[in-house]
Amino acid sequence: EPEVTQTPSHQVTQMGQEVILRCVPISNHLYFYWYRQILGQKVEFLVSFYNNEISEKSEIFDDQFSVERPDGSNFTLKIRSTKLEDSAMYFCASITTGTALLFGPGTRLTVL
Amino acid sequence: KNEVEQSPQNLTAQEGEFITINCSYSVGISALHWLQQHPGGGIVSLFMLSSGKKKHGRLIATINIQEKHSSLHITASHPRDSAVYICAVEKTSYDKVIFGPGTSLSVIP
Repeated sequence: EPEVTQTPSHQVTQMGQEVILRCVPISNHLYFYWYRQILGQKVEFLVSFYNNEISEKSEIFDDQFSVERPDGSNFTLKIRSTKLEDSAMYFCASITTGTALLFGPGTRLTVL
Repeated sequence: KNEVEQSPQNLTAQEGEFITINCSYSVGISALHWLQQHPGGGIVSLFMLSSGKKKHGRLIATINIQEKHSSLHITASHPRDSAVYICAVEKTSYDKVIFGPGTSLSVIP
């Protein structure tokens, strides 16, 4: 059964450093999402991506965040200058018409 | 007002009980998803619904498009069902999948 994969599973970084979280969505899916979940809180929408561009983003997704699909398979989330409050689980998800919404296992980001 | 609401927020049940979790939404949707997240775990898709009813093992999901309401039922609940259950809707535009706040279920042996 196809799976969404994410790397790394855990990323530890210093405040102010850049991080790139990677996702490989399902190959024939068309819509891609990044969500985050701060420990003990609910899942929050960050951004949706369709046809090689951002289709919607939340207020959390400020200028420090960017996404791209550089090679048609990977889908990356970059945080340019991490803050302590960026510490969270980051989930990638993908979907296409008529399919289940499939999530990756998540990347735990710890900002020190 | 949130576009997707769930009730109850928290639920404790005895093993074997029949459980119902409700979801209501206020936007036009193309599909509704029920998701499960075990403590400290990933998010797993249980059902995708655009109409009617689906069953998978002890889980049953229904949706009423006219009333903008969906229910998730668990028959013969078991402690391993303890998790957060999340209702998520695909808005018609596909721009964003909106999550409900989740229902935290605890099944006691």
